[in-house]
Amino acid sequence: GAVVSQHPSWVICKSGTSVKIECRSLDFQATTMFWYRQFPKKSLMLMATSNEGSKATYEQGVEKDKFLINHASLTLSTLTVTSAHPEDSSFYICSVAPMDRVGQETQYFGPGTRLLVL
Amino acid sequence: GQNIDQPTEMTATEGAIVQINCTYQTSGFNGLFWYQQHAGEAPTFLSYNVLDGLEEKGRFSSFLSRSKGYSYLLLKELQMKDSASYLCAVPFSGGYNKLIFGAGTRLAVHP
Repeated sequence: GAVVSQHPSWVICKSGTSVKIECRSLDFQATTMFWYRQFPKKSLMLMATSNEGSKATYEQGVEKDKFLINHASLTLSTLTVTSAHPEDSSFYICSVAPMDRVGQETQYFGPGTRLLVL
Repeated sequence: GQNIDQPTEMTATEGAIVQINCTYQTSGFNGLFWYQQHAGEAPTFLSYNVLDGLEEKGRFSSFLSRSKGYSYLLLKELQMKDSASYLCAVPFSGGYNKLIFGAGTRLAVHP
């Protein structure tokens, strides 16, 4: 499978600060990346679709001003949690979708970033 | 709309066989995925089914019935390392890449 990295893997911050999470595709270019969040013992919830060169598409109920997404290049997407609060504490996972894939393994997941807001 | 149902938890014995079921409702169908996720880690791809029938891949097999909106993941010769969550996922209507995940089934394998 393809290699996707996330940085940082762990972050602890104070309430009110902003946190930036990077997602990098190391093996291929991706016009599309996805951001998920996952609460303990729950499934992955899709937050938004990151589109290279255009605005991200957010799922219903996800605040775009709260979770800023920038898809700066074909190999990098960033998620910034602005003015983080304890309820934002979660496991954030990105995935990348190769441009030339249909069916089969169409998403490759990063290792995740665990955010704890105190 | 789209909906996916899986059992929340299952337990099984090392060396045994376990079947994890998934039922789904979608307005269109572009295949069904199974992922394995160990605690604190990202999901890893296990299988993709788009046609009816059973697909075998080593100790893991996946079955699909499109007419019944039903799939299962079959794990044979269970090992302790198979203790994980197993996620069923289908693409959103109209797309292949955007996935909606079920809540996942937490499997505990004991000696």
